[in-house]
Amino acid sequence: DAKTTQPPSMDCAEGRAANLPCNHSTISGNEYVYWYRQIHSQGPQYIIHGLKNNETNEMASLIITEDRKSSTLILPHATLRDTAVYYCIVRVGSGGGADGLTFGKGTHLIIQP
Amino acid sequence: DVKVTQSSRYLVKRTGEKVFLECVQDMDHENMFWYRQDPGLGLRLIYFSYDVKMKEKGDIPEGYSVSREKKERFSLILESASTNQTSMYLCASLNRALGGTEAFFGQGTRLTVV
Repeated sequence: DAKTTQPPSMDCAEGRAANLPCNHSTISGNEYVYWYRQIHSQGPQYIIHGLKNNETNEMASLIITEDRKSSTLILPHATLRDTAVYYCIVRVGSGGGADGLTFGKGTHLIIQP
Repeated sequence: DVKVTQSSRYLVKRTGEKVFLECVQDMDHENMFWYRQDPGLGLRLIYFSYDVKMKEKGDIPEGYSVSREKKERFSLILESASTNQTSMYLCASLNRALGGTEAFFGQGTRLTVV
């Protein structure tokens, strides 16, 4: 799995868009970008993933640069409940499955009232 | 709804005891993972399994072993618990399908070794 780099922490005002960056400059062509978040005392929760196109779901948007070396997770209207640690990971999404699922330290996003 | 269930939410064990942490998933997932989480260190992969009876070491396997006798169950074993194994332990499962899928996590077991 390719390594990712994220800022250790970020602040965002409630109601504003939270933009969380992730660098994955060694990503391979068959690796997906996944985002998870972990709210205090809970297991991580899947948010979104993508290969090369931008993706949107009810929770967030994922913007992947054209060269795929970085991505941004966007929470469009952050609420206090979005305060969590956000993990960006890259992983081969296809079958074959004998690969680990490695998380880094993530970004601690703090939503300020 | 996918369920990943860890047998205990909180556990207190004595140094030297053999400890079993159990994880069960109900979605027929091939891949299962064990992590520990400590303040400032993030989620660290201990072991994972991609099929019954198959296991692979993660980043920090020392002091741990695992067992996958049935597809739905993945056990983490501390052969002789030590105080530095006091931690939050998280189990996850993943469908080994084409196209990218999400991992599902249990709620975690907070283990204290005294």
